[in-house]
Amino acid sequence: GAVVSQHPSRVICKSGTSVKIECRSLDFQATTMFWYRQFPKKSLMLMATSNEGSKATYEQGVEKDKFLINHASLTLSTLTVTSAHPEDSSFYICSAPGQGKGYEQFFGPGTRLTVL
Amino acid sequence: GQNIDQPTEMTATEGAIVQINCTYQTSGFNGLFWYQQHAGEAPTFLSYNVLDGLEEKGRFSSFLSRSKGYSYLLLKELQMKDSASYLCAVRDGRGSYIPTFGRGTSLIVHP
Repeated sequence: GAVVSQHPSRVICKSGTSVKIECRSLDFQATTMFWYRQFPKKSLMLMATSNEGSKATYEQGVEKDKFLINHASLTLSTLTVTSAHPEDSSFYICSAPGQGKGYEQFFGPGTRLTVL
Repeated sequence: GQNIDQPTEMTATEGAIVQINCTYQTSGFNGLFWYQQHAGEAPTFLSYNVLDGLEEKGRFSSFLSRSKGYSYLLLKELQMKDSASYLCAVRDGRGSYIPTFGRGTSLIVHP
């Protein structure tokens, strides 16, 4: 299956700083990628759809100025958490759709963000 | 909107069979997925159903009944490594191929 990488896997930062998370499709091109957030024992919450060469589409309630998304190439999307606060601490996961019959999602390994 | 319901937690014995149910209410329907997620890791794709019936893949099988808004994931010959969260995800009929995920069922397999 398709491989999606994500970097960093873990990050600890101070409140007020910005953190960039990279999501790469390693063996295929992805014009669209998705960013999710997951709290402990909770479901994956779709934050936004990242579109190569155009603006991201944000889900209702997600602040686009807080969570900046850039999809600069067919293999890379980045999520920047700006001016991070402790409530932004979470597990962030990106995914890209495959080419299978159901367009199943291939997920990156996730990034554990802890804001002190 | 969408409503996806699955049990929070289940326990089973190594070597046994377990069935994890998922019920959903959506505006239209365009496929149901099951994913496995180990603690601290990303979900991995298990199965996809869009038509009624049973899809078998090794030790795992997935069933769908669209008229009942119901699916189950069947795990046979349970192994300790099957301890994980199992996510049911449903894609509605609005044209987007992005599914909505349920909260997941935490399966604990004990010796």
